[in-house]
Formats: sequence, C-alpha cells, structure tokens
Amino acid sequence: DQQVKQNSPSLSVQEGRISILNCDYTNSMFDYFLWYKKYPAEGPTFLISISSIKDKNEDGRFTVFLNKSAKHLSLHIVPSQPGDSAVYFCAASAGNSGGSNYKLTFGKGTLLTVNP
Amino acid sequence: DTGVSQDPRHKITKRGQNVTFRCDPISEHNRLYWYRQTLGQGPEFLTYFQNEAQLEKSRLLSDRFSAERPKGSFSTLEIQRTEQGDSAMYLCASSSGIRGFGYTFGSGTRLTVV
Repeated sequence: DQQVKQNSPSLSVQEGRISILNCDYTNSMFDYFLWYKKYPAEGPTFLISISSIKDKNEDGRFTVFLNKSAKHLSLHIVPSQPGDSAVYFCAASAGNSGGSNYKLTFGKGTLLTVNP
Repeated sequence: DTGVSQDPRHKITKRGQNVTFRCDPISEHNRLYWYRQTLGQGPEFLTYFQNEAQLEKSRLLSDRFSAERPKGSFSTLEIQRTEQGDSAMYLCASSSGIRGFGYTFGSGTRLTVV
C-alpha cells in the first residue's frame, strides 16, 4: 500500500527550462511534505518543505505547490541546471502519528536529467 | 559539525554472518532514524530514537534486527544471521524536531549479502 506515489520514474528537460516533478498521496493524516534530492552513492539531501496550511512555498529556484483537495503536490525548478540532475524523492509525515516521531514516508523517486 | 556520519560505507558479508553499522548524528539533534533503501524504492522507515529511547520500530525490523542508541549519542544497527534479502542501503538520519527543516541523512551503508 503506497501512501506516497511518484508516477513518473524519469523526466528529461533542457537546461534553462522548467522541471515539474509530481507527487500524489493517499493518507489524509499527512500534514507536512518534503522534497529530497539524491545523487548516486550519497544520502538524500533536504530541498524544501511545505506545511498543509500553505499551498505554496518558494526557495530560490525551487517552488513546491500543494493541492490538498487533490492530495497532490509538485516541485517546480526554474531554471533547470545540469547540476540538478539527480533522483528526487517526495516525502510526507503525519504530525499526530503517535509519539510525534515525524517519520517520513517516501515515494519511489523520479530521476531528473537536465540536458545542456 | 560535519553532518551525519555512517560507518562503514560498504559491507560485503556472507549469508548467516552478523553485521553492525554505526551512525553518528549531528550532535544537537535528539532524534535519530534508521531507514532502508532497496533498488528502485524510496527509503523505508525502520526505527526511531528520541535521545536514548527507541520509540518506534517498523514491522520491517524483524527479530534479527536490533538497534541501540546508548547515552543518546551515536547509534548502532545490528543484523544477525544475514540473508540475501537484507542487501540494501541502510540510511541513518537525525533531526532537531523542527519539521520544516526535514532530516539530515548520512551517506548510508551499502550492505551486500553473498
């Protein structure tokens, strides 16, 4: 039972264009959402997060949009750069998940390739 | 502070052997997590510590797995009688508990059981 789904295993974009990575979730208890980037042989690196009380959060070239009614979020990268090429994971946590452990549930990831 | 450190980076072991991994979290972080990642999957939660107390264990953590965090600092994850299905990347992460900042992950320990 996958509670966080990233339905696109891969995405290829041209340098300078917009990259849009999508994520869907099923658990209504999720109230915090995060995006991580992962390079080969490294651990995931935190990129940006959004609380369920917001619908948009922006940090430099990265913007995350949240549509609670559709249980959908997306990460926009503008402009895309070759160094952005990595696997991007969507993750979610439920604030009231017993003990406030804030454990993260991850999607399977999307491999982004930005071509020069 | 250099972030979350994990040791070893790679471990190859024969089926049936015991292995132990170590994680040194960011010193100010009182929360520590272990995750496992297999090929083509996202990281999956294994267990969580707040200070020295192990507060949650996933059903993925069979009886062959044990984790400790003595004195609330570093943590160890031991796998007894390893099986080929245990081959994975084992990731440790730490957090201050401020949700907007996410976790800080280590580089992981790649376990291969032959």
